[in-house]
Amino acid sequence: EPEVTQTPSHQVTQMGQEVILRCVPISNHLYFYWYRQILGQKVEFLVSFYNNEISEKSEIFDDQFSVERPDGSNFTLKIRSTKLEDSAMYFCASIQPGTGAVLGYTFGSGTRLTVV
Amino acid sequence: GQNIDQPTEMTATEGAIVQINCTYQTSGFNGLFWYQQHAGEAPTFLSYNVLDGLEEKGRFSSFLSRSKGYSYLLLKELQMKDSASYLCAVRDSGSKSTFGDGTTLTVKP
Repeated sequence: EPEVTQTPSHQVTQMGQEVILRCVPISNHLYFYWYRQILGQKVEFLVSFYNNEISEKSEIFDDQFSVERPDGSNFTLKIRSTKLEDSAMYFCASIQPGTGAVLGYTFGSGTRLTVV
Repeated sequence: GQNIDQPTEMTATEGAIVQINCTYQTSGFNGLFWYQQHAGEAPTFLSYNVLDGLEEKGRFSSFLSRSKGYSYLLLKELQMKDSASYLCAVRDSGSKSTFGDGTTLTVKP
């Protein structure tokens, strides 16, 4: 079964440092998402990406955040200057056009970001 | 805005049936999803409802009433491996989903 792959699985960074979280969505999917989940809290939407541009973003996704699809496979989330409150599990997700609503998201296994 | 409510915790016995409820108030509606999430893992898709009624998939069924802003997930013949969090999520008029806090289900022998 096709998978969404995320790297690294765990990253520890110092406050103020930049981090890049990487995702390889399923190859024939066209809609890509980043969600985050702070420990013990709900899954929160960050940003959606379609046709090489952001289609929606949440209030959480401020100027410190950016997304890119630098080539045909990778999808990255960059946090420019990390804060303690950015510590969370970050999930990449993708859906297949036309059937996405029926199938729901395919989530990657997540990157646990710890800001110290 | 979006508001999704579901019970925080539930406990049930192996082999039994459990119903997890979800109520929602959203500014747009384009479907309701249920996901299962084991501790430390990513959510996995269980079911999708966009029209009123019951959708059945094996041991899991999901029901939707759009007029009442209400859904439930029904799990039959509970197994120990069903112990997990169950997340109700509403897709709005775009393609993003808003998740509830999740219901932690504990299945006891």
